[in-house]
Amino acid sequence: QSVLTQPPSASGTPGQRVTISCSGSSSNIGSNYVHWYQQLPGRAPKLLIYRNNQRPAGVPDRFAGSKSGTSASLAISGLRSEDEADYYCAAWDESGVKFGGGTKLTVL
Amino acid sequence: EVLLVESGGGLVQPGGSLRLSCAASGFIFSTYSMNWVRQAPGKGLEWVSYIIGSGTTIYYADSVKGRFTISRDNAKNSLYLQMNSLRAEDTAVYYCAKDQQLGHWGQGTLVTVSS
Repeated sequence: QSVLTQPPSASGTPGQRVTISCSGSSSNIGSNYVHWYQQLPGRAPKLLIYRNNQRPAGVPDRFAGSKSGTSASLAISGLRSEDEADYYCAAWDESGVKFGGGTKLTVL
Repeated sequence: EVLLVESGGGLVQPGGSLRLSCAASGFIFSTYSMNWVRQAPGKGLEWVSYIIGSGTTIYYADSVKGRFTISRDNAKNSLYLQMNSLRAEDTAVYYCAKDQQLGHWGQGTLVTVSS
């Protein structure tokens, strides 16, 4: 049971907009930054969004993060087949990083 | 370019020990905190441990506290994870990841605990 709660799956068709939610508590999301990671099949995770809504260099602006209270969301617009991957949210808690259980995104 | 390369994984019997290494390059290693994160086969990510640049502050997940020890050698640009009293549930790919945001990850090294 992960400390941060994500839906196990999400799906969309090419060009659509999908959102993935991440719910936590006052000790993690409520008081710390949220980061998002993309893990393509068979690959290591990659930082997608940091500090709630910042994109590292090279990440397309189709990916957007937001946070409100103890919840956060990742929005992917203009869905593409290469976006099919597992997505994880994460936030620091009192003495460590807590991850969400991951959301498997399928592009139909 | 930031590069993190893990090594030291392998097959070990329950109760055994293993030491993982992470060789870092492309950034000033001593000024960044580092993490170990693991992923059991077919499962999600689990944070394992954190160490700041100077090595003076360290955190562990409850699941490994008292069994695993994180350390670093800034002169060698290397991060380590000493794993003792290994259990079957420690079987996973172990990644090292740079900074509090886990901004860069290595390719991982597989640890299998089995008799």
